[in-house]
Amino acid sequence: DAGVTQSPTHLIKTRGQQVTLRCSPKSGHDTVSWYQQALGQGPQFIFQYYEEEERQRGNFPDRFSGHQFPNYSSELNVNALLLGDSALYLCASSLDLRGQETQYFGPGTRLLVL
Amino acid sequence: GQNIDQPTEMTATEGAIVQINCTYQTSGFNGLFWYQQHAGEAPTFLSYNVLDGLEEKGRFSSFLSRSKGYSYLLLKELQMKDSASYLCAVRAGGFKTIFGAGTRLFVKA
Repeated sequence: DAGVTQSPTHLIKTRGQQVTLRCSPKSGHDTVSWYQQALGQGPQFIFQYYEEEERQRGNFPDRFSGHQFPNYSSELNVNALLLGDSALYLCASSLDLRGQETQYFGPGTRLLVL
Repeated sequence: GQNIDQPTEMTATEGAIVQINCTYQTSGFNGLFWYQQHAGEAPTFLSYNVLDGLEEKGRFSSFLSRSKGYSYLLLKELQMKDSASYLCAVRAGGFKTIFGAGTRLFVKA
């Protein structure tokens, strides 16, 4: 049973560029959440996708956008990269149980913006 | 505002018991999670509490008091491999999960 997978594992970009990160959820899961984790901090909620729509968003600017596909996989796009966007980006999948589901995390994508 | 507080660091001895506390203030509550995160890795699920009381799972136990906005994670028979960060997270109103900054646990021989 495959767990949550993410690609790429590492990425280096320069300021102003755009990046796309990808996530495949655990088999049987239909919900994908994205988090940003800075060094030494806990994960910060970016947004959650369910039924191919963003259904809740955290305090992140519009430069952060996403998409969910019919097979439940998801992408996170970040435009106009800033140095402060350097972080570990985590994808978590779950089966929708109206807020009581357990999330399982992928290995993350480590983004460095120079 | 929404806030989750947990100690920054703790140190304990191999074979001992350690309790990691977490207090929270959130606009809604739909469950509290504990995750373990080793350096450079993704968080892994440890426990989930939605009702008051103690949940035990092997060497790990988690307690919740909703009226006090308080939880703790109890780790027994500590092993060196338990050295990691422990994240307390609350499912607040809606579908948003709020994480604390994590407690770094160092287990010494």
